[in-house]
Amino acid sequence: DGGITQSPKYLFRKEGQNVTLSCEQNLNHDAMYWYRQDPGQGLRLIYYSQIVNDFQKGDIAEGYSVSREKKESFPLTVTSAQKNPTAFYLCASSRGPSYEQYFGPGTRLTVT
Amino acid sequence: EDKVVQSPLSLVVHEGDTVTLNCSYEVTNFRSLLWYKQEKKAPTFLFMLTSSGIEKKSGRLSSILDKKELFSILNITATQTGDSAVYLCAVEVGTASKLTFGTGTRLQVTL
Repeated sequence: DGGITQSPKYLFRKEGQNVTLSCEQNLNHDAMYWYRQDPGQGLRLIYYSQIVNDFQKGDIAEGYSVSREKKESFPLTVTSAQKNPTAFYLCASSRGPSYEQYFGPGTRLTVT
Repeated sequence: EDKVVQSPLSLVVHEGDTVTLNCSYEVTNFRSLLWYKQEKKAPTFLFMLTSSGIEKKSGRLSSILDKKELFSILNITATQTGDSAVYLCAVEVGTASKLTFGTGTRLQVTL
């Protein structure tokens, strides 16, 4: 079955710890994206990658880092520099511009 | 700054009613407008609109884009309880397929 997987579903961390969220797709999509969703708000773009070994900052990249070493994988690291990391994180992929983005099931991160 | 505004913020209707959800936008370098349905977790894709005035339809759902007035509507006829969800509007800008999302409309369909 083709799709996007994110793991884990729920993640709990103490303040000051870095944490990495996994995103894998087997749709053979070139482009991948990370969004953050807070209660009552729309999705906000953190980072995106249009091709392997290349990525760009989105609207709220501060305190986050990514890598794109393989086409299928686009992990997101939430660093201790992110002031308010508790949120629902969604990964998406698409064939590219003018194609719809498909979303993974999300990871809910809680930092205390 | 790119902006997408959805209205109403929330809506409660009875099963069988018809609803219209609104999405207006102010962006530079518009490429397309997308509608998604979000129930509990992942948003699922509904429509992508690129041309003005052409209605997209899927069962009881339909959507149309007005590029002159910078808005889109999503219509749902004969609503069912399974239509209860948050409906998200997003605008694709630029050549990198970046999406700017509205805050969503929460629809609740009651018996």
